[in-house]
Amino acid sequence: GENVEQHPSTLSVQEGDSAVIKCTYSDSASNYFPWYKQELGKRPQLIIDIRSNVGEKKDQRIAVTLNKTAKHFSLHITETQPEDSAVYFCAASKSRNQFYFGTGTSLTVIP
Amino acid sequence: ETGVTQTPRHLVMGMTNKKSLKCEQHLGHNAMYWYKQSAKKPLELMFVYNFKEQTENNSVPSRFSPECPNSSHLFLHLHTLQPEDSALYLCASSQAAGPETQYFGPGTRLLVL
Repeated sequence: GENVEQHPSTLSVQEGDSAVIKCTYSDSASNYFPWYKQELGKRPQLIIDIRSNVGEKKDQRIAVTLNKTAKHFSLHITETQPEDSAVYFCAASKSRNQFYFGTGTSLTVIP
Repeated sequence: ETGVTQTPRHLVMGMTNKKSLKCEQHLGHNAMYWYKQSAKKPLELMFVYNFKEQTENNSVPSRFSPECPNSSHLFLHLHTLQPEDSALYLCASSQAAGPETQYFGPGTRLLVL
């Protein structure tokens, strides 16, 4: 089955700096890559996603890049703010029945 | 909150108890999922239902028994659980066709004593 690895497990940045979280996957058939944000005690919420026919997608301060050849994708958050502090999960999927998540990155934005 | 709701939010049970978790989605979706979230581990997909039919069971022990009476409701029946089953159980839903965005409920925090 699919194996999704996520790095780093923890990340601290100064407010205003950028944060980058990276994920790799093993199944070349995976074609959908969402990123979820989970604040303490709350549900995971989708922040951005990308499909395999696209190399990059941006939504305001958040962007995701996908390298299908290398089988990795990354989340980029620019101009970080304290409210960006949360756990971020990447995932890879090739069908509605198969969703594989990374182990999560705990991001702390220091004011 | 609307969207996907779960009850109860917290549950403490003994190993000999029987309890059920409930999930309801108000998004008109056709697929529903149960996940287990444990500390330091990835979210684990447990069960998938599409149009009320179970399409995936990821080698989950039989002490977890899902039920999906319709596309809006999903249950997880629990019996003779073990302490290692303590975790956050998340329900999610999505449109049925293809891999796509899943919308999560708030979860049930389960503690097995």
